[in-house]
Amino acid sequence: DAGVTQSPTHLIKTRGQQVTLRCSPKSGHDTVSWYQQALGQGPQFIFQYYEEEERQRGNFPDRFSGHQFPNYSSELNVNALLLGDSALYLCASSLTSGRAVMRNEQFFGPGTRLTVL
Amino acid sequence: EDQVTQSPEALRLQEGESSSLNCSYTVSGLRGLFWYRQDPGKGPEFLFTLYSAGEEKEKERLKATLTKKESFLHITAPKPEDSATYLCAVQVSGQNFVFGPGTRLSVLP
Repeated sequence: DAGVTQSPTHLIKTRGQQVTLRCSPKSGHDTVSWYQQALGQGPQFIFQYYEEEERQRGNFPDRFSGHQFPNYSSELNVNALLLGDSALYLCASSLTSGRAVMRNEQFFGPGTRLTVL
Repeated sequence: EDQVTQSPEALRLQEGESSSLNCSYTVSGLRGLFWYRQDPGKGPEFLFTLYSAGEEKEKERLKATLTKKESFLHITAPKPEDSATYLCAVQVSGQNFVFGPGTRLSVLP
């Protein structure tokens, strides 16, 4: 059973550049959420995608955007990178279209470590 | 504003020394409380989901409990391999998950 996968593992960018991170959900899952985790802190919710649409969004600027594809995989795009965007970016998948007891469980990928210089 | 706090921030235990981690929350419309374990540089690993006050879940040396305002993660006779950051998260109305800052646990042999 394939778990959540993310690519790339590490990424180094400079201020002002743009970056795209990718995520494939756990087999059978249809919903993808993205989180930003700064060093020593808990993950912060960025947004969630379901049925190829952004369903909910956290307190992040419009520089953060995303996309979900028909195969449920997802991308996170960040424009005009700032030093403060350096963090571990986590993707989590879950199941919306299923039994209620299963819907709330989110499974995380290994993350992409983004460093902005 | 939905808020989750965890205590202590860090905890050092001797192998076999049992203890508890606390997660306190102030949210509107709790849909579930989740515990995760996170090793350095890796994604969180799902441990437990709790839905209602009084509920308990167990897995090996870990036991999670839930009240109306807080949750506890009890660690019985911990081993060095239990060393990790333990994250608590609550799912509020909609699909949003709010995470606490975590408790860094070190178990010394």
